[in-house]
Amino acid sequence: EAQVTQNPRYLITVTGKKLTVTCSQNMNHEYMSWYRQDPGLGLRQIYYSMNVEVTDKGDVPEGYKVSRKEKRNFPLILESPSPNQTSLYFCASSGVRDRGNRDTQYFGPGTRLTVL
Amino acid sequence: RKEVEQDPGPFNVPEGATVAFNCTYSNSASQSFFWYRQDCRKEPKLLMSVYSSGNEDGRFTAQLNRASQYISLLIRDSKLSDSATYLCVVNGGNTGFQKLVFGTGTRLLVSP
Repeated sequence: EAQVTQNPRYLITVTGKKLTVTCSQNMNHEYMSWYRQDPGLGLRQIYYSMNVEVTDKGDVPEGYKVSRKEKRNFPLILESPSPNQTSLYFCASSGVRDRGNRDTQYFGPGTRLTVL
Repeated sequence: RKEVEQDPGPFNVPEGATVAFNCTYSNSASQSFFWYRQDCRKEPKLLMSVYSSGNEDGRFTAQLNRASQYISLLIRDSKLSDSATYLCVVNGGNTGFQKLVFGTGTRLLVSP
């Protein structure tokens, strides 16, 4: 079954305590992305990756880091979380067949993060 | 001005009704367009891509007007299970899902 998994699903932490949200996909997709969703603002892209060792900033990258050492995994790292990073986070992956024929995009189930 | 604008709703309709959602986008260089569906507190799911010629998938019809930078989604014969938030999504990048910009969504409530 095509799947994107995220862990943890829920996390309450305190300001400044480093955390990592893992994301893994089993579809051998090249593209992976991280989004955050906030009321009234919709989903906003944090970072994306086009393949192993290739990452780029999205619209709201400040305070986040990512890495793509393996194709299936794309962890999101918050080195020093702050309360304004309290949000619902989604990981997504999509494949590339050829220039005109795209695979669909799958989202993970989401991680609800609260930073106190 | 937001890059992708949608009426937030909610749209309250009875079962069987036809409902239309509209969306405008500001980046004229956008290449790909999509409608996603999101159920409460769940992940978004791709409903359909939107092509210049318009496309239909069962009860759902999507249309794109590049000149007006306008996208629409029509749902015919609404079902209770159609209740969800519908997200208009535009890609300004060169590839399908690389740099997506999401609207804030239009909420649909279908009642018996």
